[in-house]
Amino acid sequence: EVQLLESGGGLVQPGGSLRLSCAASGFAFSNYAMSWVRQAPGKGLEWVSVISGSGGSTYYADSVRGRFTISRDDSKNTLYLQMNSLRAEDTAVYYCAKVTSNWNYFDYWGQGTLVTVSS
Amino acid sequence: QSALTQPASVSGSPGQSITISCTGTSSDVGGYNYVSWYQQHPGKAPKLMIYGVSNRPSGVSNRFSGSKSGNTASLTISGLQAEDEADYYCSSYTSSSTLYVFGTGTKVTVL
Repeated sequence: EVQLLESGGGLVQPGGSLRLSCAASGFAFSNYAMSWVRQAPGKGLEWVSVISGSGGSTYYADSVRGRFTISRDDSKNTLYLQMNSLRAEDTAVYYCAKVTSNWNYFDYWGQGTLVTVSS
Repeated sequence: QSALTQPASVSGSPGQSITISCTGTSSDVGGYNYVSWYQQHPGKAPKLMIYGVSNRPSGVSNRFSGSKSGNTASLTISGLQAEDEADYYCSSYTSSSTLYVFGTGTKVTVL
């Protein structure tokens, strides 16, 4: 059974940093691209970033490019999102999601971790 | 990259059929057969319901079906049930640097 468990969320001041983690199990983690998707309170889904199975390719939404860094440690079956220069508009539940082998869909999602950016 | 456009809400009575539209552009919905649909119950994670415009993952009820015409994709729920009450989001691969775009979301209410 595929399981994705996010952690690392919390309250941070504007301009601060936070690192999210997503522990994966139940599938060959290193073989699949992984992604982060966020959802601001009461709002819709917004794609944030994706990383290839090898970790060699990364892509970002325009809203986070240059501030967020996605990475992975295949030896630990763990996905990360380093978030710097956080803004109030980054407040959201952050979900990690497994990407299908053709890179076109998100077939499994974690339960999410809440990030609140506020002074 | 703007979000795909969905109606804010759709409602129907038990047993009825409803259809949710998802309108994009030739750079996303119209340009690729990579449209997917996700169901999200309050406080829960999204769940993949349709991929590749009209394919259902294993375990998803055949009451859910998808289609596409031009720049607009659609999700139809037939035989509406109380458990179908949720938010639904479409998504598409896009040729922009963003790679993926989601719809604005539709709240389905079972009357």
